[in-house]
Amino acid sequence: ETGVTQSPTHLIKTRGQQVTLRCSSQSGHNTVSWYQQALGQGPQFIFQYYREEENGRGNFPPRFSGLQFPNYSSELNVNALELDDSALYLCASSLAQGFEETQYFGPGTRLLVL
Amino acid sequence: KNEVEQSPQNLTAQEGEFITINCSYSVGISALHWLQQHPGGGIVSLFMLSSGKKKHGRLIATINIQEKHSSLHITASHPRDSAVYICAVRSLIQGAQKLVFGQGTRLTINP
Repeated sequence: ETGVTQSPTHLIKTRGQQVTLRCSSQSGHNTVSWYQQALGQGPQFIFQYYREEENGRGNFPPRFSGLQFPNYSSELNVNALELDDSALYLCASSLAQGFEETQYFGPGTRLLVL
Repeated sequence: KNEVEQSPQNLTAQEGEFITINCSYSVGISALHWLQQHPGGGIVSLFMLSSGKKKHGRLIATINIQEKHSSLHITASHPRDSAVYICAVRSLIQGAQKLVFGQGTRLTINP
């Protein structure tokens, strides 16, 4: 148990729809990172939030956006879903920004876009 | 070519064998993470290292910064070690720290 939870565990959407995925970080962790993991691949960094501000972003289009809240929870929003967005979405929290500390991963949300 | 390459992609061994998983990277890094992912997706952080060697139980991780290479070793392997092992490097890309992942090594330990 890492103390990081994600919801929902599974989700099915259709192309063009919007989705919001949620993550609850460990208490006291002011940094959260989101990753996309396609089947059979390693995770890809989407973005990181530190103290409610975006603190770094991977090669993902603007339709991937996020929010971080003061209560250590965060959201990943994806607009205009595409078939290739089907993946496992992972969040990870840590004590410090920039991956200076151990990342604590949630169990992931598996998204299927039809 | 990916910035982080792992080998082998798949590894099957018998219980008790000594296991080595390799990770090579082509970017400048400030730290390297070894992660374990079990079926169903949950990821556990095993090590974070920037130099030398770290040991935790039967797991040993080494890194050679000059050669841009890291290895994860498992001694006296056990079927419960079966998982995907992922190497990830912390690198400054386009002005921000990012974590770049390898594709993972799927390890199966047979009893």
